[in-house]
Amino acid sequence: AQSVSQHNHHVILSEAASLELGCNYSYGGTVNLFWYVQYPGQHLQLLLKYFSGDPLVKGIKGFEAEFIKSKFSFNLRKPSVQWSDTAEYFCAVNGPGGGADGLTFGKGTHLIIQP
Amino acid sequence: DGGITQSPKYLFRKEGQNVTLSCEQNLNHDAMYWYRQDPGQGLRLIYYSQIVNDFQKGDIAEGYSVSREKKESFPLTVTSAQKNPTAFYLCASSSTPGLLGGEQFFGPGTRLTVL
Repeated sequence: AQSVSQHNHHVILSEAASLELGCNYSYGGTVNLFWYVQYPGQHLQLLLKYFSGDPLVKGIKGFEAEFIKSKFSFNLRKPSVQWSDTAEYFCAVNGPGGGADGLTFGKGTHLIIQP
Repeated sequence: DGGITQSPKYLFRKEGQNVTLSCEQNLNHDAMYWYRQDPGQGLRLIYYSQIVNDFQKGDIAEGYSVSREKKESFPLTVTSAQKNPTAFYLCASSSTPGLLGGEQFFGPGTRLTVL
């Protein structure tokens, strides 16, 4: 079965610091990869996704992620974080079924940005 | 205004009672999903349905039941057999899944507390 590992459960940064959140998955075949974000009191929403093509994908609010197939990784990055980036971040993967059988999520990273 | 609605937002029930959580979508999506979110555990798939009148168990289906009589509705029943039902429940939907798809849209969630 597919599994997703997020390396950091809690991250605390100051505003303007650079961010990198790690994500590794286990399935070695063709996958779609996602980062979702859950702001306090809000819906889970899509930050960015990778289906194919350029392994560097850009999402909303200045976030980007790089798919490295050889490392089974899909790390999330942002060069300069803001206080409003405080949220929980989830990496997710769908497997060979194309997502018909649901997404597999990591356990999440709780990011706190200090002003 | 398209989206997914879940009701109620908060639900309290006594131990031993069954309870049904509502999920409705007007996105015309074929596939619908139920996830459970616990602190530090990420999201775990309970049930999913790719088409009306058909549904499949996810990773943690024990103690839950679902129905899919209409395309737009996918209610979840938490039965008395579920040993630890207190959690945040998220409903999601996606258009016909495939390797070029798989993005899921999430509702606002229902927080169930069993007393």
